[in-house]
Amino acid sequence: KNQVEQSPQSLIILEGKNCTLQCNYTVSPFSNLRWYKQDTGRGPVSLTIMTFSENTKSNGRYTATLDADTKQSSLHITASQLSDSASYICVVSPDNYGQNFVFGPGTRLSVLP
Amino acid sequence: DAGITQSPRHKVTETGTPVTLRCHQTENHRYMYWYRQDPGHGLRLIHYSYGVKDTDKGEVSDGYSVSRSKTEDFLLTLESATSSQTSVYFCAISELAGANYGYTFGSGTRLTVV
Repeated sequence: KNQVEQSPQSLIILEGKNCTLQCNYTVSPFSNLRWYKQDTGRGPVSLTIMTFSENTKSNGRYTATLDADTKQSSLHITASQLSDSASYICVVSPDNYGQNFVFGPGTRLSVLP
Repeated sequence: DAGITQSPRHKVTETGTPVTLRCHQTENHRYMYWYRQDPGHGLRLIHYSYGVKDTDKGEVSDGYSVSRSKTEDFLLTLESATSSQTSVYFCAISELAGANYGYTFGSGTRLTVV
């Protein structure tokens, strides 16, 4: 069964610190992997999209990595800010069709002053 | 979120009553999706549309129906609401399918069935 697992389930860090969120997947075949940020009470917003051939993709202070061989991805947040407090969702697609997205449960990040 | 609006934002309804949620877009995108989000689960696809009057079922379609009579509107109907349908519902749009295209989500509708 296609699944996406994320760890940790929740994380608390102090403002200015770095952190790394993990995503492991069993989705096969593989087309692309996306990271989304979801603020409380809002819909998910795309951070990065990576295809099979991409190992890393950055968006400001967010850097995603992908190891398609081990089926792992990570999202690294540098110099965290209070506004980074949100859920981060890993999404894997086996093809180019949005109806087949497999969503992870998310990691809840809290950044404290 | 710009270009996509969900209504209502919140709704409380009684078991057994019909409920319709609306997703409206101003982007003229071809694809529209309805998801539900429950604690401890990833978003799960209910139904999607790939054009006017073209819809198909997703992973958790039982108890739900959809309609798309215009490009800009995608309606989700719970024919007879049950407590298990208490959830947050998200609509998403995409211009085309594929890795090169982003998916924009609405702000969600929180539905409580009592």
